[in-house]
Amino acid sequence: GESVGLHLPTLSVQEGDNSIINCAYSNSASDYFIWYKQESGKGPQFIIDIRSNMDKRQGQRVTVLLNKTVKHLSLQIAATQPGDSAVYFCAESASNYQLIWGAGTKLIIKP
Amino acid sequence: DAEITQSPRHKITETGRQVTLACHQTWNHNNMFWYRQDLGHGLRLIHYSYGVQDTNKGEVSDGYSVSRSNTEDLPLTLESAASSQTSVYFCASSDRDRGGDTQYFGPGTRLTVL
Repeated sequence: GESVGLHLPTLSVQEGDNSIINCAYSNSASDYFIWYKQESGKGPQFIIDIRSNMDKRQGQRVTVLLNKTVKHLSLQIAATQPGDSAVYFCAESASNYQLIWGAGTKLIIKP
Repeated sequence: DAEITQSPRHKITETGRQVTLACHQTWNHNNMFWYRQDLGHGLRLIHYSYGVQDTNKGEVSDGYSVSRSNTEDLPLTLESAASSQTSVYFCASSDRDRGGDTQYFGPGTRLTVL
């Protein structure tokens, strides 16, 4: 079936640098995309979302970019901090309230 | 503050036993979901509900059941626990009346089936 996938399972970034986590999706009917952060031993936590009528959305230190032409989603984290260490999931929705989840990218912050 | 809770947080059981995991949300959300997450993997949908008395099967529903008798609770039952059901289980909810797509998660239940 159609699914969301991630390019890199693990990403190591120097503290203070910017992080970019990528995600590919294949369902052209998806109109809503979400990034979640999951810390060890905890449930996924909502970070930021974007609808298909937008190509960029910014939050606090995070930016999500959506390229519908190539079905690509990215999460940018500015000035990465130790507290950003986690697994990041992208998810997509095609208006039935269900989310299709990617496998996750583990972000490691190097001191 | 509104929240979503799960209990127990950890459970060890034996093969063949019936197990029920509780999920309770005070968001007053219409939609509720159960997922399982296996080590190093993403989330897989087990069952979901769009409202009271409504339940639907997800992609990995075999061996699991749910019931929705009120807005706040969606208990997940493993009819006869199997070792393959050892996993971390997450409950989530979303608000249909506000778009319904953003799901909010509980802390998870770690289930071990021996």
